[in-house]
Amino acid sequence: EAQVTQNPRYLITVTGKKLTVTCSQNMNHEYMSWYRQDPGLGLRQIYYSMNVEVTDKGDVPEGYKVSRKEKRNFPLILESPSPNQTSLYFCASRAGGALDTEAFFGQGTRLTVV
Amino acid sequence: GESVGLHLPTLSVQEGDNSIINCAYSNSASDYFIWYKQESGKGPQFIIDIRSNMDKRQGQRVTVLLNKTVKHLSLQIAATQPGDSAVYFCAENLGGGFKTIFGAGTRLFVKA
Repeated sequence: EAQVTQNPRYLITVTGKKLTVTCSQNMNHEYMSWYRQDPGLGLRQIYYSMNVEVTDKGDVPEGYKVSRKEKRNFPLILESPSPNQTSLYFCASRAGGALDTEAFFGQGTRLTVV
Repeated sequence: GESVGLHLPTLSVQEGDNSIINCAYSNSASDYFIWYKQESGKGPQFIIDIRSNMDKRQGQRVTVLLNKTVKHLSLQIAATQPGDSAVYFCAENLGGGFKTIFGAGTRLFVKA
């Protein structure tokens, strides 16, 4: 089954404690992206990756890091989480090449930073 | 399920009626537009898309209209069903398709 898998689904952590949210896709997609979703703001793009070792900032990259060492994985790293990073996070992937390829989203990770 | 928007615009329709959800996009350079549906506790799901060189595209029970002059996008759902109840987002792609900007979303509530 084609899917994007995020882990964990729920996470409560304390300010300053480094964490990683994993994202894996089994569709051999070139393009992957991370979003955060906050009430009334829709989804905002954090980082995206066009292929292995190629990443770029989205609209809200501050406080986040990513890496793309393998095609299937695109982890989101919070080196020093703060309460304003409490949010619902989504990873997405789609095939590269054509502009209009369908994006597939993971189930989301609810992060709470206290 | 997860709350995706506590203060979203809401459209309430009767089952069987047609629904129209509107969206204003921000960048005249955007060249590809997508509508997503998000149900409670789930990630967004692709519904339909349209390129900027088109003004209308039809899918199964859904139609997207694009008006580039006023930077407006709409999603029409025919014969709305209770299963259509969800939050709907429009999204625009720019920068070669890698940067995506989402609208704030509209909650559709279908009354049986």
